[in-house]
Amino acid sequence: EAGVTQSPTHLIKTRGQQATLRCSPISGHTSVYWYQQALGLGLQFLLWYDEGEERNRGNFPPRFSGRQFPNYSSELNVNALELEDSALYLCASGRGDTDTQYFGPGTRLTVL
Amino acid sequence: GENVEQHPSTLSVQEGDSAVIKCTYSDSASNYFPWYKQELGKRPQLIIDIRSNVGEKKDQRIAVTLNKTAKHFSLHITETQPEDSAVYFCAANSGGYQKVTFGTGTKLQVIP
Repeated sequence: EAGVTQSPTHLIKTRGQQATLRCSPISGHTSVYWYQQALGLGLQFLLWYDEGEERNRGNFPPRFSGRQFPNYSSELNVNALELEDSALYLCASGRGDTDTQYFGPGTRLTVL
Repeated sequence: GENVEQHPSTLSVQEGDSAVIKCTYSDSASNYFPWYKQELGKRPQLIIDIRSNVGEKKDQRIAVTLNKTAKHFSLHITETQPEDSAVYFCAANSGGYQKVTFGTGTKLQVIP
């Protein structure tokens, strides 16, 4: 069974630009969760999508947004990038009827 | 919302000794408590989880205990090995939301 995949592995942007990160969940999983992990820090919840709908979002500004496609893959968009957005962005997937989450390898976003 | 506190932030043990990491949570409706291990540069991996209908769960050298009255849960690793060195995160769900809140992580170092 293939695990959660994310692309790209690394992304370098300059301040003010937009970044798009992608996630493909484990087959059969309908939920996708996005987290931000700044260097040396913990996992901060960003967004949760299930069955194409945004179910919950964390304490992040509106320039962090995303969507979930009919095949349950998801993308995270970060507009007007700031230096402090530099972090590892992790995606996790799960079945809609349970809390268990499985993580992808992450996308390392660097904002210069 | 849920608040999860995790202690200690760093832990060094000799190989073969036991390691204990403790977490407390605030939402009395929480009923799912996973633990993740994140090795350097890798994704968080689910190592064990417990639901509120049990007080203890064991998997080889790893065990988790849960005290719902006191709202705390702990990870116990026995006979530690150098490959146990990693950052460990506890988490708790927010009842009814299928969103987990993570602790701040414990960096475990097992000294050979």
